[in-house]
Amino acid sequence: EAGVTQFPSHSVIEKGQTVTLRCDPISGHDNLYWYRRVMGKEIKFLLHFVKESKQDESGMPNNRFLAERTGGTYSTLKVQPAELEDSGVYFCASSQGATDTQYFGPGTRLTVL
Amino acid sequence: EDQVTQSPEALRLQEGESSSLNCSYTVSGLRGLFWYRQDPGKGPEFLFTLYSAGEEKEKERLKATLTKKESFLHITAPKPEDSATYLCAVQEGGGFKTIFGAGTRLFVKA
Repeated sequence: EAGVTQFPSHSVIEKGQTVTLRCDPISGHDNLYWYRRVMGKEIKFLLHFVKESKQDESGMPNNRFLAERTGGTYSTLKVQPAELEDSGVYFCASSQGATDTQYFGPGTRLTVL
Repeated sequence: EDQVTQSPEALRLQEGESSSLNCSYTVSGLRGLFWYRQDPGKGPEFLFTLYSAGEEKEKERLKATLTKKESFLHITAPKPEDSATYLCAVQEGGGFKTIFGAGTRLFVKA
């Protein structure tokens, strides 16, 4: 069974540009989470989808970040416009139920220059 | 405020030298406590979930325990391949938000 996949693995963009990260959860997992780890800090929760609905987006830093999960399958996280402080590793995780084990993808390393 | 604190930040062991990693937490109701292993350049890999005080789980050389305020990850006779960052995370009772600690970097020397 395929695990959580994320694309791209790395992205380098200029400040002010737009970047879209994609996450494909494990098939059948209704719950999808986005996290971010900035240099030297712990992994921080961004938001939680149940199917296509946003259950909790309290961790989203500001309105430059937009997450979508059309059809309850894959999810995208768009950063527009990107700022220097957005650099970090963005992880996606999925779980069957909201209290079940979360399985993580390999992450997307975003560098904003 | 909900908080997860892991100690030590880094731990260096000789192969075969058993030790423990600590995770202290403060949450308004614990839904679950998770241990993950993370290798450089990879995503966290699930190890254990603990739900209530007194619970213990084992997997190969690892054993996780839980009290009302902290969790320990005991490593028995570690091998160099156990070298990784070990992450502790808690899911609070009021929702499904997961809070991570900063991790413990474990180095096991042959």
